[in-house]
Amino acid sequence: ETGVTQSPTHLIKTRGQQVTLRCSSQSGHNTVSWYQQALGQGPQFIFQYYREEENGRGNFPPRFSGLQFPNYSSELNVNALELDDSALYLCASSSLGATSGETQYFGPGTRLLVL
Amino acid sequence: DQQVKQNSPSLSVQEGRISILNCDYTNSMFDYFLWYKKYPAEGPTFLISISSIKDKNEDGRFTVFLNKSAKHLSLHIVPSQPGDSAVYFCAANPTNFGNEKLTFGTGTRLTIIP
Repeated sequence: ETGVTQSPTHLIKTRGQQVTLRCSSQSGHNTVSWYQQALGQGPQFIFQYYREEENGRGNFPPRFSGLQFPNYSSELNVNALELDDSALYLCASSSLGATSGETQYFGPGTRLLVL
Repeated sequence: DQQVKQNSPSLSVQEGRISILNCDYTNSMFDYFLWYKKYPAEGPTFLISISSIKDKNEDGRFTVFLNKSAKHLSLHIVPSQPGDSAVYFCAANPTNFGNEKLTFGTGTRLTIIP
């Protein structure tokens, strides 16, 4: 059973650029959630994808967008990067329909620095 | 608006003693509460959870207590071990959402002193 993987591990971009982060979900999981963790803060929910459709969104602007593929892997795209987008981006996979949150498995994250 | 609050950014406890981490929430719609543990360069890992219909849940050295009227929960670790040194996040799951759309607190860094 493979765990949740994310790529790249680190990334440096400049303001105004676009970035794509990738996540491979755990085998057997059909749902991917993305979170942003700014320095000194807890993870903040960005959005969730279930069977290739967005299934809920947090308080993030439309320049944060995502995709989920038939194999349930996922991408997070951020356009027009701002300095405040510098954060650790975490993805978590799970099986929707589970009754409790402990079925959510997090990847190690991608650390994005916007200069 | 911070709906889940962990007011202690850090806590140091002697090995073998009890560690108590606290969490407060403001949203009455939260129905399920979880604690996650995070080591550096790793993602959060699930530790223990509690449903709002219970006031206590125990798993080995870890016990979570929920006081719904006070909107407060706590995680007790006893006895504390050096491997427990990590950042602990409290998280909540709202009832009118689907699963896994968690609201996290800001975390408490626990250091166990050998």
